[in-house]
Parts: sequence; C-alpha cells; structure tokens
Amino acid sequence: DAKTTQPPSMDCAEGRAANLPCNHSTISGNEYVYWYRQIHSQGPQYIIHGLKNNETNEMASLIITEDRKSSTLILPHATLRDTAVYYCIVRVYDDYKLSFGAGTTVTVRA
Amino acid sequence: EAGVTQFPSHSVIEKGQTVTLRCDPISGHDNLYWYRRVMGKEIKFLLHFVKESKQDESGMPNNRFLAERTGGTYSTLKVQPAELEDSGVYFCASSLRQGGREKLFFGSGTQLSVL
Repeated sequence: DAKTTQPPSMDCAEGRAANLPCNHSTISGNEYVYWYRQIHSQGPQYIIHGLKNNETNEMASLIITEDRKSSTLILPHATLRDTAVYYCIVRVYDDYKLSFGAGTTVTVRA
Repeated sequence: EAGVTQFPSHSVIEKGQTVTLRCDPISGHDNLYWYRRVMGKEIKFLLHFVKESKQDESGMPNNRFLAERTGGTYSTLKVQPAELEDSGVYFCASSLRQGGREKLFFGSGTQLSVL
C-alpha cells in the first residue's frame, strides 16, 4: 500500500548538494509529505515535512511541486554523516502512523 | 533533554523463551509507539499508546506480543514465546501530541535475535 516511490539508491559527493526525489502521485489534499532518515544502528530521525509550500530548516529543504505529485528533499552540503536511508512518507493530518517504504539509500563519498 | 531510550540494545534468546523490551519516552510525551523491522522488510507500525491506554494495536502480529504502559510513562513489549520470525529491530517512538503534523522521536531500537 505504498503511497510513495523513491529511487533505491544514490551517491553524492561530500560538500555537494544531494537532491532526493519522491513521487506521490495519489496524494490527497489533506496529506502531508514527511521525510525521515535512518542512519545505521540508529532509529529513524525526523528531517522535515510540508503540505504544499516549500519548507526549509537547519537540516534540509523540501520542494513540493505545484500539483503536489512529487517532491525533492535537498541536503545543501552533504557530509559523510548524512549517509543513511531516507524515507519519503505521505501522512494524513490526523494520522499518527508512519508508513515506511523501502526508502533511498544515500551514500555520501569523500 | 533525554531522548527516547530503549533497553536492552541487543537481546539474543532461544526459540520458546520470553523477552521483554523496555522503552522510556521523552518526558511529557503522552503518545508512545512501537514499530519493528524484521529481516529484509520495511519498518512497520505495531501499536500506539496515549498515556496508559492502547489507542491502536492493529499492527501487533499475534497474541504472543503484549505491550503495556502502566502509569503512562515507560512501556514494555513482551514476546512470549518467541519464534524465529520475531527476530528484527524493535523501535519505540514518542510524540507530544497525536496527529499528522507531529514529528515522532525514535529510540535507537532493540535488536532481537531469536535462535
């Protein structure tokens, strides 16, 4: 019942921006787009979320297309510590469950 | 501020034995969740507490799993008797409020190996 599609893996050079795409073509008007990541041997970590406007915080930026059918997570200056599995999750406003898919394994290389 | 803590970090038991996992949420977080990832699978929701009450346990795999949260503080997840397919990483998470705009804070998980 996956609501999102992400590439299985991608590489990124240290210091460069990492752009992680996510397709959510069946997203509903009351569903938010969330991004979490899981660094090896740790629990999932919240990164950012948005509804329709672009969002930015200290970790990343989230760009959501106007039709909301896809989004991009941007890590502006990737470091080796950003190597992790990144999950794009669509979540209804009053839903407390997270549905993790397979995510994108991001490897940052020196 | 302490994050979500889980104990033990690793547990190795034999099939048929009992194991109890513990989770201490962030202080003040009424909402507590259990998730797990079994080998080769995605992270899946198990159940959700609001204070001491089970709000949703639709993800619990079977009646060998029992979760409690007495007093609305820490929670335990007991597996009795453990089976081989129970091996995986069990994550606990907490949030201040319930709802789609809330971010969940996860612990580092308990790696359970059933031999």
